[in-house]
Amino acid sequence: GAGVSQSPSNKVTEKGKDVELRCDPISGHTALYWYRQRLGQGLEFLIYFQGNSAPDKSGLPSDRFSAERTGESVSTLTIQRTQQEDSAVYLCASSKGQGPVLTFGAGSRLTVL
Amino acid sequence: SQQGEEDPQALSIQEGENATMNCSYKTSINNLQWYRQNSGRGLVHLILIRSNEREKHSGRLRVTLDTSKKSSSLLITASRAADTASYFCATGGNTPLVFGKGTRLSVIA
Repeated sequence: GAGVSQSPSNKVTEKGKDVELRCDPISGHTALYWYRQRLGQGLEFLIYFQGNSAPDKSGLPSDRFSAERTGESVSTLTIQRTQQEDSAVYLCASSKGQGPVLTFGAGSRLTVL
Repeated sequence: SQQGEEDPQALSIQEGENATMNCSYKTSINNLQWYRQNSGRGLVHLILIRSNEREKHSGRLRVTLDTSKKSSSLLITASRAADTASYFCATGGNTPLVFGKGTRLSVIA
């Protein structure tokens, strides 16, 4: 597509429930990133996919967080047993190859009650 | 851990004035980028400066890089109300981009 698409744009869930966030990168972009941004804070790196290489999961904060990517297309970030501290905007970005410039989606705002 | 740290955290200026934001980082980099974020949503790339460059211009934006001091500055000239946003620096090496906490710029008409 023309840009990076994320869904849902907003998600309100109850503590303890699982959530899935989806990212559709720009067609042809081999690299895909997930970041988390808490209110008023900077971006916190979560996970990075590059082509068919093993993902860099070094930023995932706990084993409740996981992400998958199908080939060089859609990625899903899953948060199990959500906690209130998981409330944040989850941003997805993609880039061509290892090109340094990222194109971001509009984010998915998660609120855990 | 976050690599870039922007300064100041917040900046408020009148329309027409210049705005300067600074970024400091800790380790060696291949390049440094500045991004803009409106209303806590997606970031938009503004400008990239490579480690062998000292200054770069794009429209009303001017970026400098001092690798000896591990610092960069972003200057927005003749600011407009529409420049109100958060600005982040991001450093790149062989790892995913690392972002600072951002400078929140308010331009008052």
